[in-house]
Amino acid sequence: DQQVKQNSPSLSVQEGRISILNCDYTNSMFDYFLWYKKYPAEGPTFLISISSIKDKNEDGRFTVFLNKSAKHLSLHIVPSQPGDSAVYFCAAAVDNNDMRFGAGTRLTVKP
Amino acid sequence: NAGVTQTPKFQVLKTGQSMTLQCAQDMNHNSMYWYRQDPGMGLRLIYYSASEGTTDKGEVPNGYNVSRLNKREFSLRLESAAPSQTSVYFCASSEGRLNEKLFFGSGTQLSVL
Repeated sequence: DQQVKQNSPSLSVQEGRISILNCDYTNSMFDYFLWYKKYPAEGPTFLISISSIKDKNEDGRFTVFLNKSAKHLSLHIVPSQPGDSAVYFCAAAVDNNDMRFGAGTRLTVKP
Repeated sequence: NAGVTQTPKFQVLKTGQSMTLQCAQDMNHNSMYWYRQDPGMGLRLIYYSASEGTTDKGEVPNGYNVSRLNKREFSLRLESAAPSQTSVYFCASSEGRLNEKLFFGSGTQLSVL
């Protein structure tokens, strides 16, 4: 069973606009959430994370929002740049040894 | 700074053949992991090693074995490859503390015919 779901396989946005990537989870025991970014032929790289005790975490152009009651998190990228084009994975963890990943969303930012 | 290094990058096997995927990290991390990535499935944990000398099953361990050779190296072995094991395999490492991000290698594309 997929405990972490990214229901949008792809997203296309114009350069300079906001990109919003969504993620839903089913396991209420998850207490730490991460976003990874993956370019072709490379491994995923860590982007941003949030603990369950927070509802927002910001790092430059990237902001992650957590809605625990809805079991939903989202990644906002503002402004979007062509270099942001990649596959974004949402991940959730109870501890490091049980980190579950979503299927990924392919973001394309058009110049 | 190499980070996490995986070999080989590509491999084609026939059903029933065996092979070992190698992984090494130079960050002095305690924990190491093997994931597989399949279309529409995300990354799924095969095995992990929380520290040198220990290994444990993850979400999808069947058909695989692992060895934590030392603190740097963690190998994944397919004893008798099956077409269902066609996937992209990623090795990762972390310091092993709670709520730590993972550092991934660049992956091995494996095809089993």
